[in-house]
Amino acid sequence: DIQMTQSPSSLSASVGDRVTITCRASQSIGNYLNWYQQKPGKAPKLLIYAASSLQSGVPSRFSGSGSGTDFTLTISSLQPEDFATYYCQQGYSTQGFGPGTKVDIK
Amino acid sequence: QVQLQESGPGLVKPSETLSLTCTVSGASISTYYWSWIRQAPGKGLESIGYVHYSGSTNYNPSLKSRVTISLESQNQFSLRLTSVTAADTAVYYCATLIGPYDKFDYWGQGTLVTVSS
Repeated sequence: DIQMTQSPSSLSASVGDRVTITCRASQSIGNYLNWYQQKPGKAPKLLIYAASSLQSGVPSRFSGSGSGTDFTLTISSLQPEDFATYYCQQGYSTQGFGPGTKVDIK
Repeated sequence: QVQLQESGPGLVKPSETLSLTCTVSGASISTYYWSWIRQAPGKGLESIGYVHYSGSTNYNPSLKSRVTISLESQNQFSLRLTSVTAADTAVYYCATLIGPYDKFDYWGQGTLVTVSS
């Protein structure tokens, strides 16, 4: 099984901050990596697929990078609606998710 | 616009079988892979498995012995999870699974299933 880890598990940030979340796979997954945003009581929302492709309708302040085992999600300027939990998910084998990173208000 | 809606009992007794249905609108059942994902209270997301209109399935190895995902009709698919315990208490989501990057594109709103006597 491919194990996914994320860091940090939580972070506090202010509106306008640049935020970076890291996801690591236990083995190489190429660019088979997707990112989701989840707000309390809601279903997750796809933000980024194939490591760096922006899902239609997602603001351009979200970006993704990486390949192999190490990936990042960056929010260039945090907005009030971005406070949420973010999950990475590998699409290489059995679609495993990372444990999540909660972004809250500083 | 693809829409998915989960339905089924909100309470299941330990050792019994959890059964949920996902109703799809706005897409043909032959278009995507159809999947189930769950989230225990306060925890992260866990992929359960998926079914393709061809009939092929794939399950999370940790649940494989207890799970069946099936196509029920032109616009419904289902989840059956046998021998449930309190650890199976979770919000269950149905979602589309789209290759080649296996992204979960469209999601239902989720339904909470509690396992308790």
